Amino acid sequence: AQRVTQPEKLLSVFKGAPVELKCNYSYSGSPELFWYVQYSRQRLQLLLRHISRESIKGFTADLNKGETSFHLKKPFAQEEDSAMYYCALFNFNKFYFGSGTKLNVKP
Amino acid sequence: NAGVTQTPKFQVLKTGQSMTLQCAQDMNHEYMSWYRQDPGMGLRLIHYSVGAGITDQGEVPNGYNVSRSTTEDFPLRLLSAAPSQTSVYFCASSYRSGRVGEQFFGPGTRLTVL
Repeated sequence: AQRVTQPEKLLSVFKGAPVELKCNYSYSGSPELFWYVQYSRQRLQLLLRHISRESIKGFTADLNKGETSFHLKKPFAQEEDSAMYYCALFNFNKFYFGSGTKLNVKP
Repeated sequence: NAGVTQTPKFQVLKTGQSMTLQCAQDMNHEYMSWYRQDPGMGLRLIHYSVGAGITDQGEVPNGYNVSRSTTEDFPLRLLSAAPSQTSVYFCASSYRSGRVGEQFFGPGTRLTVL
């Protein structure tokens, strides 16, 4: 069974500090992985996907098949990054979401 | 474009009542889905559809029915509401089904079952 684990419910960092939001998955094959973000009073929206290998708002995420991880990283956190972040896996027409990590960036 | 719309925004039901949560999109997306969001559990897929006339179950389908008679609409029906169905419900759509890309989410419906 597919499973996505985000071990941290809450992550607090100071502005300018590096941030890493962890995501581990269990899936045998070539998964499609995503990070979604929900800012306060906004809709859930796509942040980035592993197949694009892109950097969005300074965030990057590398798929590590050996460790079955897809951690989200940003070298210098900004206050506007404060939000709820969800890691998601897509397989056979179904999305599986992690439980989410709330990122709080303090001034 | 309105994107993905959901109605109602809030709803309170009594145990045993039935209701339909509405979802519509105007982006001609093939893929549509329903999720429930519970504290500490993230989003869990209830049902999904890869096109008009085609629906399938997600992780937590029990107690819910769906249909997809048009590309635009994907209603979610609760036949006999239970307190365990108290949750926030999100509808989402995506522009292709074979290799699903970016999902666009609706604003959510907060449902309380007493």
